[in-house]
Amino acid sequence: DGGITQSPKYLFRKEGQNVTLSCEQNLNHDAMYWYRQDPGQGLRLIYYSQIVNDFQKGDIAEGYSVSREKKESFPLTVTSAQKNPTAFYLCASNEGRIVYSNQPQHFGDGTRLSIL
Amino acid sequence: QKEVEQDPGPLSVPEGAIVSLNCTYSNSAFQYFMWYRQYSRKGPELLMYTYSSGNKEDGRFTAQVDKSSKYISLFIRDSQPSDSATYLCAMRTGANNLFFGTGTRLTVIP
Repeated sequence: DGGITQSPKYLFRKEGQNVTLSCEQNLNHDAMYWYRQDPGQGLRLIYYSQIVNDFQKGDIAEGYSVSREKKESFPLTVTSAQKNPTAFYLCASNEGRIVYSNQPQHFGDGTRLSIL
Repeated sequence: QKEVEQDPGPLSVPEGAIVSLNCTYSNSAFQYFMWYRQYSRKGPELLMYTYSSGNKEDGRFTAQVDKSSKYISLFIRDSQPSDSATYLCAMRTGANNLFFGTGTRLTVIP
């Protein structure tokens, strides 16, 4: 079955610690995204990537980093510089590259990150 | 002013009711409009995807876009308890990322 797999489902971060959230897709999609979802604020874009080895900052990139070494994988690292990391993190992908794509985004089931 | 405005609800309706969910937007360049359904602790699931103005129907769901009023709607007929979820609208121009509403939480009471 094709889809987007995020892991872990729940993650806890200690003070000063970096944590990495995994996102894997087997849809052969070029474009991948990371969003943060907070109550009452909707989805906010953290980073996106159009092709391997390329990624762009979204609206709230500070305190986060990403890599795109393989087409199917787009991990997100929440660094210790992110002072308010508690949120629900969603990974998404769509066919085609962003600028030319009219395809809708499809989402994984998210990772809930909390502070210990 | 936010790009996309959506009433957060919550909205409670009895089973079998017709539900109307709405979003307004400010950017007249938006062309692609989406509705997502999100169950608790899950990712958003694409329900409807429309281009430009008009109506699109899929089973009990109808999406409506009125570009002149910058207003989109999702109608759910014969609502079921399984429709209880948060509904997110989203939209984009041809060449940028998605703008999301904050979501409307719907509860359908048996």
